[in-house]
Amino acid sequence: SAVISQKPSRDICQRGTSLTIQCQVDSQVTMMFWYRQQPGQSLTLIATANQGSEATYESGFVIDKFPISRPNLTFSTLTVSNMSPEDSSIYLCSVDVGESNYGYTFGSGTRLTVV
Amino acid sequence: GDSVTQMEGPVTLSEEACLTINCTYTATGYPSLFWYVQYPGEGLQLLLKATKADDKGSNKGFEATYRKETTSFHLEKGSVQVSDSAVYFCALSEMDSSYKLIFGSGTRLLVRP
Repeated sequence: SAVISQKPSRDICQRGTSLTIQCQVDSQVTMMFWYRQQPGQSLTLIATANQGSEATYESGFVIDKFPISRPNLTFSTLTVSNMSPEDSSIYLCSVDVGESNYGYTFGSGTRLTVV
Repeated sequence: GDSVTQMEGPVTLSEEACLTINCTYTATGYPSLFWYVQYPGEGLQLLLKATKADDKGSNKGFEATYRKETTSFHLEKGSVQVSDSAVYFCALSEMDSSYKLIFGSGTRLLVRP
């Protein structure tokens, strides 16, 4: 399975600012996924990032709030823009290297607190 | 749309007790099914998976069988340990172009000595 390096691991940010989260994979992958895990809750998919094309956002998530970059097959960033306390969550990136038969690998997550 | 339903927690057990965490799903196609575990303060780890009906996934003493007739994928372990205390997530992925995971709400397991 792939190894994912995600950073920062945690941050405390002021409301109204933006934070960019980075996800680096040790192998080339077609799809990278960004999830949000709000406190005490399950994971919700934000968007799917494919290299060379616009990210595909799930219902309730928009590009202006969560812009995503995918410059190559091993790297992606998620920006949380104009943050409010409601954005306090764990953000995780994920990849699937085996067309879902191998299971998905997750980064260790970014714990974001907005004050 | 596709969805996953898990039993609510927390589930509290004594060490060496039997564990069952129920998981049922709805899907339009033939999904792959997964159990993920999240230990305190850590990220998500794949525990086991099954890709077709009647497949049994197993790992670390945990098992789950893909039951198409009952659309279920219950997680079981015969004898839990304190170190099994974690949150367990059931998830599915359709074998379509999206490959995205859909998660259940998670079940917190607390095992007491």
